[in-house]
Amino acid sequence: AQKITQTQPGMFVQEKEAVTLDCTYDTSDPSYGLFWYKQPSSGEMIFLIYQGSYDQQNATEGRYSLNFQKARKSANLVISASQLGDSAMYFCAMREGPLESGTASKLTFGTGTRLQVTL
Amino acid sequence: ETGVTQTPRHLVMGMTNKKSLKCEQHLGHNAMYWYKQSAKKPLELMFVYNFKEQTENNSVPSRFSPECPNSSHLFLHLHTLQPEDSALYLCASSLTGWRGYTFGSGTRLTVV
Repeated sequence: AQKITQTQPGMFVQEKEAVTLDCTYDTSDPSYGLFWYKQPSSGEMIFLIYQGSYDQQNATEGRYSLNFQKARKSANLVISASQLGDSAMYFCAMREGPLESGTASKLTFGTGTRLQVTL
Repeated sequence: ETGVTQTPRHLVMGMTNKKSLKCEQHLGHNAMYWYKQSAKKPLELMFVYNFKEQTENNSVPSRFSPECPNSSHLFLHLHTLQPEDSALYLCASSLTGWRGYTFGSGTRLTVV
């Protein structure tokens, strides 16, 4: 079974509008972390936002917010006030297990959503 | 510039060639990773190094051979590759026990 599912291969949004990119995950581990990365055409993966499984509040970073619904196992990314520079691939990822000092993290990624921002 | 530098950015190689990909970070991170990104597939974790020791080999064929001489440098040695190995190879680094990675810009590999 897929651990990270992104059901939207592509999305369009008009400039200045908000957009929600969907992500559902599957884990039986009570401790995990969820990430969103942006990948422009240059190829580099840019970290956007992080949500820990025990975090009480939904994460926010500037125009990015993560709509974390634990019971539904969803972690949707909301981008407010879209800009042309937001056009890129967006990947949801998960780390399973607690953060442990001295232990490397392994992330599992979804297939991504291509977002295009239009005028 | 992300702090993780990958060279070369593009590589075309024949199936009988031997080449190496290089990854370098000076962020003080102690874990380094190789991921493969093929079209329409999720990123696949290939190798994990933690304080220069390999801690994960995700059933990667032996034609891919990683090397981590120190915590700042990571190599991926390639030999007798197949056309299906054509992909974007991404290097990442992190602090152990920390939540996220810093990725490089990747090497776009084409095997002909």
